[in-house]
Amino acid sequence: DTEVTQTPKHLVMGMTNKKSLKCEQHMGHRAMYWYKQKAKKPPELMFVYSYEKLSINESVPSRFSPECPNSSLLNLHLHALQPEDSALYLCASSGGAAQETQYFGPGTRLLVL
Amino acid sequence: RKEVEQDPGPFNVPEGATVAFNCTYSNSASQSFFWYRQDCRKEPKLLMSVYSSGNEDGRFTAQLNRASQYISLLIRDSKLSDSATYLCVVNAGWGNSGGSNYKLTFGKGTLLTVNP
Repeated sequence: DTEVTQTPKHLVMGMTNKKSLKCEQHMGHRAMYWYKQKAKKPPELMFVYSYEKLSINESVPSRFSPECPNSSLLNLHLHALQPEDSALYLCASSGGAAQETQYFGPGTRLLVL
Repeated sequence: RKEVEQDPGPFNVPEGATVAFNCTYSNSASQSFFWYRQDCRKEPKLLMSVYSSGNEDGRFTAQLNRASQYISLLIRDSKLSDSATYLCVVNAGWGNSGGSNYKLTFGKGTLLTVNP
């Protein structure tokens, strides 16, 4: 089973709101990722967690705050976002026998008003 | 030179056609190579990993030429359901040996539309 789940599927928020995106995998993967994807563009890496520790932060603004409570869960906390942050936010995981192959969740489509 | 460069497309082909996608990468230290497909408003899904010996999965054949830093994907007997954006993805490999924390570099993608 190569399933990564994400909630919510859609999110609309105002610029003063605080919300969180959630991601879960039960494949025993030890690396988890957050990507941002704008329309007609490839995914852009935001954060990488490896063994529950933040390994990469691709110079993401502090209004995005990742959290990895355990090896199966990854959160992305959102606060004071801008309209240009509207995008598809994808979670992925990798690890186990397949090593570096990344499996993506269905994404959360975020609209910031 | 862009890190991963793909045919810009779009490609419009009739059902049953053979279509080829090409991709070049700039980092000679790259270790792993993939083709993902992405349907409109959906997540990228792994289509194939690409190996130096070449690999085939049904109607799909992927080739890697490390000397030329070139990757290809061939789709034979294309179906309507093959319509999607095809992403060439390269893994440069970072982090500790044996670790699974690799960074992927995506090409911009090539849109394929298969017409009836």
